[in-house]
Amino acid sequence: GAVVSQHPSRVICKSGTSVKIECRSLDFQATTMFWYRQFPKQSLMLMATSNEGSKATYEQGVEKDKFLINHASLTLSTLTVTSAHPEDSSFYICSVVRGGRNTEAFFGQGTRLTVV
Amino acid sequence: DAKTTQPNSMESNEEEPVHLPCNHSTISGTDYIHWYRQLPSQGPEYVIHGLTSNVNNRMASLAIAEDRKSSTLILHRATLRDAAVYYCILRDVKTSYDKVIFGPGTSLSVIP
Repeated sequence: GAVVSQHPSRVICKSGTSVKIECRSLDFQATTMFWYRQFPKQSLMLMATSNEGSKATYEQGVEKDKFLINHASLTLSTLTVTSAHPEDSSFYICSVVRGGRNTEAFFGQGTRLTVV
Repeated sequence: DAKTTQPNSMESNEEEPVHLPCNHSTISGTDYIHWYRQLPSQGPEYVIHGLTSNVNNRMASLAIAEDRKSSTLILHRATLRDAAVYYCILRDVKTSYDKVIFGPGTSLSVIP
């Protein structure tokens, strides 16, 4: 069964509004989760590391005020795209890892965001 | 994270074996070799990983060169459902804090 649940799978929003995407770890407690963005025909780009109980760590070039991350519990991280614009339209994917380089990463099914 | 190099695309006939290569000449002694794949419009899924020895699981086999500078993911009998982008990734938690960094990957097409 799924280890990571991401919701919604698809969302369309108007330009200027905010959208929240949820990522749940179903199988184990995750102190760290990861958020990726993927444009058509491109690879996944790591946006940020979500840390339970503390601030997220953003990759270079990712606007932290634009992409708000909240990791309020050991099983839930949320990504909020604020004041969305058409260029924010993308496939957003979350991931959890049990820990350690000898363990695999698990990914959500992704959220297709379209900003109109 | 150490860099990996994969062919952009490959083709395979259905029900034939597929060998997907990956070069990682700058691999360090503590890097694990991971493979993930991404089917269209889905999140990536784990395929297999290893350190030095060859590995087998229900999805695939991983053959690792003796010097660890390259590896090959082997799908024993390709099916249409194996058409996906395959990513070869090195992971060293000491420096990457569990991050999984994706390269461009290999887009595998399976011909009926």
